[in-house]
Amino acid sequence: EPEVTQTPSHQVTQMGQEVILRCVPISNHLYFYWYRQILGQKVEFLVSFYNNEISEKSEIFDDQFSVERPDGSNFTLKIRSTKLEDSAMYFCASRRPPGQADTQYFGPGTRLTVL
Amino acid sequence: AQTVTQSQPEMSVQEAETVTLSCTYDTSESNYYLFWYKQPPSRQMILVIRQEAYKQQNATENRFSVNFQKAAKSFSLKISDSQLGDTAMYFCAFMRGGATNKLIFGTGTLLAVQP
Repeated sequence: EPEVTQTPSHQVTQMGQEVILRCVPISNHLYFYWYRQILGQKVEFLVSFYNNEISEKSEIFDDQFSVERPDGSNFTLKIRSTKLEDSAMYFCASRRPPGQADTQYFGPGTRLTVL
Repeated sequence: AQTVTQSQPEMSVQEAETVTLSCTYDTSESNYYLFWYKQPPSRQMILVIRQEAYKQQNATENRFSVNFQKAAKSFSLKISDSQLGDTAMYFCAFMRGGATNKLIFGTGTLLAVQP
């Protein structure tokens, strides 16, 4: 069964450094999402992406964040200058075209640790 | 704005017994979906079950079933014949109908299945 994949599984970085988290959504999916989960807290929406543009973003998704679909398979989240409070689990999710099941399928997550 | 409330931070059940996890939500939308996701210690987000708001019949998936009370805005998850592998954090989530819409999660219930 097709899966959403994410790399790396764990990323450690120094405060102020740029990080890029990568996701490969399920191949026939058209809608893509990033969520984050600070340890011990609930999962929070960051951004949704469709047709090569952002559909919606949360207050968390400020100018330090950006997303890109650089080719036909990858979907990336970039944090330009990481802060300690960016330490969290970041989940990518994807969803099928309209008219099909409305379920978002999640990747295994990338644990980001900012030191 | 939509909200999702899970009032049980932790629950415990004996193996082979039945347990019910509670979830309530608030929305003025008529077209929406509800989900239960499971997050084991690996922190992967795994879909357990989904319910379309327009369907009166409660969803079931093997040992998992829901009690969807639309008027009361309640969406509880029943796990029958609990197994040790069911030990996980369970998140209730809401999504407005529409292609790009985000998931809104509750704070989760940590379920421990005891041998």
